[in-house]
Amino acid sequence: GAVVSQHPSRVICKSGTSVKIECRSLDFQATTMFWYRQFPKQSLMLMATSNEGSKATYEQGVEKDKFLINHASLTLSTLTVTSAHPEDSSFYICSASPSGQGGYGYTFGSGTRLTVV
Amino acid sequence: AQSVTQLDSHVSVSEGTPVLLRCNYSSSYSPSLFWYVQHPNKGLQLLLKYTSAATLVKGINGFEAEFKKSETSFHLTKPSAHMSDAAEYFCVVSGYTGFQKLVFGTGTRLLVSP
Repeated sequence: GAVVSQHPSRVICKSGTSVKIECRSLDFQATTMFWYRQFPKQSLMLMATSNEGSKATYEQGVEKDKFLINHASLTLSTLTVTSAHPEDSSFYICSASPSGQGGYGYTFGSGTRLTVV
Repeated sequence: AQSVTQLDSHVSVSEGTPVLLRCNYSSSYSPSLFWYVQHPNKGLQLLLKYTSAATLVKGINGFEAEFKKSETSFHLTKPSAHMSDAAEYFCVVSGYTGFQKLVFGTGTRLLVSP
């Protein structure tokens, strides 16, 4: 079955530093990947749509200069949290669909717990 | 625009009793609907999906859901709860608009007591 690998699973960083999170589709190609953010005991909020070979599409209210997304290949998308602050601490999850169509379901990564101290 | 409403933030059941997690949807298109489960600090696992085929959908771990267009509902059920079912459950809708974004409900926490 379709597998999405996300790395790292946990990261602690100092305020002001940058953190990169990787999302890989292991056994399929994904022209589109999605990045979500989840606050404790809340639902997932779509941050941005990552498009291979082009710029990401950000949801309203998401700072594109703070959350840099790069989708350089058909199997890898990265999210970089720049100049991280404690309020950026959250659970970040990526997803992708083998078919490229959401109607057939997405596979999610296992998530990254970011703590900014 | 699409949306989903999960009617209960928490549901508590005893092991061995039935589970019912309620979800209502709104969609301008013929929707695709999903239920995902999330265990603490983990990613999401697909339980089942409805994509305009059979209205009664069977998923993994004994879960099933019925798509009722007249009621705009997609409730998740299981005949007999197991302790390992304790988790957060999300009802999700996807429509064929642009990149087929997923819209998540607010989640229902299922608590299973011995």
